[in-house]
Amino acid sequence: DQQVKQNSPSLSVQEGRISILNCDYTNSMFDYFLWYKKYPAEGPTFLISISSIKDKNEDGRFTVFLNKSAKHLSLHIVPSQPGDSAVYFCAASADRGSTLGRLYFGRGTQLTVWP
Amino acid sequence: DSGVTQTPKHLITATGQRVTLRCSPRSGDLSVYWYQQSLDQGLQFLIQYYNGEERAKGNILERFSAQQFPDLHSELNLSSLELGDSALYFCASSPSPQTADTQYFGPGTRLTVL
Repeated sequence: DQQVKQNSPSLSVQEGRISILNCDYTNSMFDYFLWYKKYPAEGPTFLISISSIKDKNEDGRFTVFLNKSAKHLSLHIVPSQPGDSAVYFCAASADRGSTLGRLYFGRGTQLTVWP
Repeated sequence: DSGVTQTPKHLITATGQRVTLRCSPRSGDLSVYWYQQSLDQGLQFLIQYYNGEERAKGNILERFSAQQFPDLHSELNLSSLELGDSALYFCASSPSPQTADTQYFGPGTRLTVL
């Protein structure tokens, strides 16, 4: 049962434009969300996170938006650069504040930024 | 470089065999997590250890077991291997057992079962 869904397996964007990656979740208990980036032959790398008490978090070119009522979050990358080409994973947790550390991951979206 | 190391990088073995995957967490991190990434399932949480004790269990098969040693490194043991166990196995670490802490991932071990 996939509780975190990334319905677009791939996204292609021109350099300098905005990339928008989407993620939906089904578990209303999730209260912490993260985005990870993964290059081939490497492990996932943390990018940005957001707590359910916020609806936006920004870090440089990366902004994550959370819409709790729609159980939807999105990652915006502005401006997109060729080095951003990677697989992006959305992850969620229902355990913040407790001792359980399980992350639920989506299946990832391959972002390709072309010149 | 996340600071998490995993060995071996690649492992090729036959069905029915047993293998051990090793993970060293980032310096100072007490919590270790194991994830499996197969082609059709994405990243699936297997198990978490914190300071030597099991803290959370996910979709881990009974043929699989793990432990965390006093020096905080962890091993994932996979036995009676089947073709479907072929996957990338990632280890991650964080300072505490709470998910609010970012988990830092190692480069993974690619297991191929023939």
